[in-house]
Amino acid sequence: QKEVEQNSGPLSVPEGAIASLNCTYSDRGSQSFFWYRQYSGKSPELIMSIYSNGDKEDGRFTAQLNKASQYVSLLIRDSQPSDSATYLCAVESGYSTLTFGKGTMLLVSP
Amino acid sequence: GAGVSQSPSNKVTEKGKDVELRCDPISGHTALYWYRQSLGQGLEFLIYFQGNSAPDKSGLPSDRFSAERTGGSVSTLTIQRTQQEDSAVYLCASSLIAGGVQETQYFGPGTRLLVL
Repeated sequence: QKEVEQNSGPLSVPEGAIASLNCTYSDRGSQSFFWYRQYSGKSPELIMSIYSNGDKEDGRFTAQLNKASQYVSLLIRDSQPSDSATYLCAVESGYSTLTFGKGTMLLVSP
Repeated sequence: GAGVSQSPSNKVTEKGKDVELRCDPISGHTALYWYRQSLGQGLEFLIYFQGNSAPDKSGLPSDRFSAERTGGSVSTLTIQRTQQEDSAVYLCASSLIAGGVQETQYFGPGTRLLVL
């Protein structure tokens, strides 16, 4: 059973702070990793994808991947109240499917 | 361009009735996925279609659930003899598959199913 684990939260940060979201996965052979953001009552939308070890930056978002330790993280700099949402980690599970974590709820207070 | 569309957006049905949920993927996307998300839960994989290959049905929770994809495009998820535990949001996603590598999945708005 391939698993993706996330802390359910909520993770509370003040506006302007850095939010750090973490995810671990069980399938050592996974090659593709994704972070999705899901607002309450809405469908998931892609934030970042990462395929190689190291950091990948896109605006205020940085995804970090460490395949040896089987974890992937998402950093959100200068957090805004509009970033308040549930963040889903998704890991390629082979045969072109994804296994999703249950998500971490992020709350950014003004 | 148009994203993934799903219909109906909401469906209320009585226990024991059959329901059909429709998904229209992004044009050109060969892969189509169905997920279920219960209140406060993560995404539960149901079924995956890729081109003309046999679908991956490994996530379907029971034989009351079935899906088809006609002409490599539109997909229908059918739930027979609905039960109250089937109440959830059913999400459809589509993606490209490039060289066997999982590309980004784009989600539709979902169908909210309530079984009374």
